[in-house]
Amino acid sequence: SQQGEEDPQALSIQEGENATMNCSYKTSINNLQWYRQNSGRGLVHLILIRSNEREKHSGRLRVTLDTSKKSSSLLITASRAADTASYFCATDHTGTASKLTFGTGTRLQVTL
Amino acid sequence: GAVVSQHPSRVICKSGTSVKIECRSLDFQATTMFWYRQFPKQSLMLMATSNEGSKATYEQGVEKDKFLINHASLTLSTLTVTSAHPEDSSFYICSARVSGAGEKLFFGSGTQLSVL
Repeated sequence: SQQGEEDPQALSIQEGENATMNCSYKTSINNLQWYRQNSGRGLVHLILIRSNEREKHSGRLRVTLDTSKKSSSLLITASRAADTASYFCATDHTGTASKLTFGTGTRLQVTL
Repeated sequence: GAVVSQHPSRVICKSGTSVKIECRSLDFQATTMFWYRQFPKQSLMLMATSNEGSKATYEQGVEKDKFLINHASLTLSTLTVTSAHPEDSSFYICSARVSGAGEKLFFGSGTQLSVL
């Protein structure tokens, strides 16, 4: 299976703290994407990083990619209670999003 | 942004009945849609790729006669779970790519299917 592994599986932090979640994958990629899923809802695209990029920022989000280690991390800075959700990495091996492979997900709980 | 509308959001049915789930692209044309299945606290598993005007491409292990996919127009794809059984109970999500929006996917809000 090409499914990526994410860790931690669950993360509980207090509002204002930073949250870091990691994703590892098995085969070479064209790009890696991060999605957020609120409980019982669909997924929302957060950020995409290409295989030739090492770091990318979007607001409070910072994504890194290490293709030599086949891993990526998502950092959410100054977390808020509204950030509570599950976060999934998804690898695109073809560059066409024709078959994204989703990781196992990290459930983030941000408490007040 | 692009909107993918999925209905119903929740359905409860008796074992042996068929259930149809609709996925519509509201403000764009989707030549390709994807159907995923998700078990509680688990990842999304791609079931099939739905192509407008042609047969769907199913992933290995997915029964095409069990999960019928129809993509008759550029804005609508449907997934029919035929003769549903309790083990089919799951969260089903559709998604689509938007031409010009890059490689990211836009997702519907999902359908929670419970088969009694």
